[in-house]
Amino acid sequence: GESVGLHLPTLSVQEGDNSIINCAYSNSASDYFIWYKQESGKGPQFIIDIRSNMDKRQGQRVTVLLNKTVKHLSLQIAATQPGDSAVYFCAENMTKGFKTIFGAGTRLFVKA
Amino acid sequence: DGGITQSPKYLFRKEGQNVTLSCEQNLNHDAMYWYRQDPGQGLRLIYYSQIVNDFQKGDIAEGYSVSREKKESFPLTVTSAQKNPTAFYLCASSHRWELFFGEGSRLTVL
Repeated sequence: GESVGLHLPTLSVQEGDNSIINCAYSNSASDYFIWYKQESGKGPQFIIDIRSNMDKRQGQRVTVLLNKTVKHLSLQIAATQPGDSAVYFCAENMTKGFKTIFGAGTRLFVKA
Repeated sequence: DGGITQSPKYLFRKEGQNVTLSCEQNLNHDAMYWYRQDPGQGLRLIYYSQIVNDFQKGDIAEGYSVSREKKESFPLTVTSAQKNPTAFYLCASSHRWELFFGEGSRLTVL
């Protein structure tokens, strides 16, 4: 069935290094791909999105890459900080269906 | 401040009891959602509502019920028919494809 998944459940990086979180998706019909950040005990927060007709989008310290050929999505965080420690979810949205499907999440640990 | 307010934050329930989780938004969004999150897992959609007085089942609706009598409110009832209700419940509203989440309600069945 439709699914959005992640390659690794945890990622540990040194403070100041760049982080790359990966995601594989299976539904080619999705219109938007979104990254959310969830801190412990809180609800997820929107980080950045990318439309299906784009392959790269940059935000503040974050970049999302979309490779439709291999159905792969990644989130790059530059100069990772302790405050970036959280679980990161990729998600895909099919706007006609009003549904957003989430992957299982990757927990990012930032070592000082 | 605009946002999603969920209550209670923590709730304990005995087996066989129904419980209702509250969700209120002041973002003037039409669409609202309920997701369930289990430890180490992603979010699974329970119910969603695109407009007042209308709602649809998500992927795991069995044992849950909702109502949408007001634009601002989308309460979720976890019924005794839900076999494994202990979980973290998240309410959200959306603007286009972006979801805005509340802080969640953690339900524990004793």
